[in-house]
Amino acid sequence: EAQVTQNPRYLITVTGKKLTVTCSQNMNHEYMSWYRQDPGLGLRQIYYSMNVEVTDKGDVPEGYKVSRKEKRNFPLILESPSPNQTSLYFCASSLAAGTGTQYFGPGTRLLVL
Amino acid sequence: QKEVEQNSGPLSVPEGAIASLNCTYSDRGSQSFFWYRQYSGKSPELIMSIYSNGDKEDGRFTAQLNKASQYVSLLIRDSQPSDSATYLCAVRGGGGNKLTFGTGTQLKVEL
Repeated sequence: EAQVTQNPRYLITVTGKKLTVTCSQNMNHEYMSWYRQDPGLGLRQIYYSMNVEVTDKGDVPEGYKVSRKEKRNFPLILESPSPNQTSLYFCASSLAAGTGTQYFGPGTRLLVL
Repeated sequence: QKEVEQNSGPLSVPEGAIASLNCTYSDRGSQSFFWYRQYSGKSPELIMSIYSNGDKEDGRFTAQLNKASQYVSLLIRDSQPSDSATYLCAVRGGGGNKLTFGTGTQLKVEL
């Protein structure tokens, strides 16, 4: 089954404790992206990757890191999480940057205390 | 001014009616326009895409684009309770790499 998977689905952590949210897709997609979704603010892009080893900042990259060492994986790293990073996070992938059909993962709900 | 604007709703329509959802965008160089549907607690899923001025129909859904007015809309005919969801408008800018979402319009279809 073609899909985007994220782990963990739910995470409660404390300020300053480094964490990684994994994202994997099995569709051989070139383009992958991370979004956060907050009430009243909608979906905002954090980082995106055009292909392996190529990443770039989205609208809200501060406090986040990403890496794209393999085509299928695109982990999101919070080196020192803060309460304002409490949010719902989605990973998405598409065949290429110019195509509109983005497939979203199930989401990761993060609470930073 | 927000890059992509939508009325947050909720928009309530009776079952069987036409629901009309609207979206405006600020980047005149935008090339591609999308409507995603998001059920509560779920991830967004693409339901329509449109790239040129005019109408595009797919089943009960019709997307309309007017680049001169920087306006894109989604019509849902014969609305069903299962259409109750938040509808996100997304626009790909002239640069091609970034997809910007609106904050979404909540649609409620009432029996």
